[in-house]
Amino acid sequence: DAKTTQPPSMDCAEGRAANLPCNHSTISGNEYVYWYRQIHSQGPQYIIHGLKNNETNEMASLIITEDRKSSTLILPHATLRDTAVYYCNLTPGATNKLIFGTGTLLAVQP
Amino acid sequence: GAVVSQHPSRVICKSGTSVKIECRSLDFQATTMFWYRQFPKQSLMLMATSNEGSKATYEQGVEKDKFLINHASLTLSTLTVTSAHPEDSSFYICSARDPGLAAGNEQFFGPGTRLTVL
Repeated sequence: DAKTTQPPSMDCAEGRAANLPCNHSTISGNEYVYWYRQIHSQGPQYIIHGLKNNETNEMASLIITEDRKSSTLILPHATLRDTAVYYCNLTPGATNKLIFGTGTLLAVQP
Repeated sequence: GAVVSQHPSRVICKSGTSVKIECRSLDFQATTMFWYRQFPKQSLMLMATSNEGSKATYEQGVEKDKFLINHASLTLSTLTVTSAHPEDSSFYICSARDPGLAAGNEQFFGPGTRLTVL
């Protein structure tokens, strides 16, 4: 299964944009990039996903490089409630399985 | 959005007993559900894929006779940890796909079940 690489932790000031990077250099052509987040002791929450085009929804924006080897999740105005572990995952082929990486702990500071 | 529930949210049991965890999709029918396990300060590890009306597919290294999965209806999957031991203590999380969504394969996760085996 293709793997993702994320920094273990990041800090962000409240109200500023949080940019979370993810490397997926071995991604296959039919694999989507999915972002989830997990607030402590809760189930993960879906954020956004994309294949090759940039995507935006009410929670975040997803920027995928043209070669698809990396992506960035952008939270435009981080709040304290955005403090969580953010996972960048790939869906391998047609199995629909999510293989979770190690994630980035985003700490939003007041 | 799609809602997935789990019951119980927390369970403490004695070593050697069996524990059943339920996962329900509340407002959609899920032909496929997934079970994960998460140890403290670690990521989620996929244990198995639960398929309605057929046998579950287990990931490598997961004992199917110890972790029994039943997906008898389109809204309910159960995970039974048989003869639980302290090393089975973990956070168990289920997820479900809503096939009615055209957007993709996003999974909706339950709130998790904290299992503590004494």
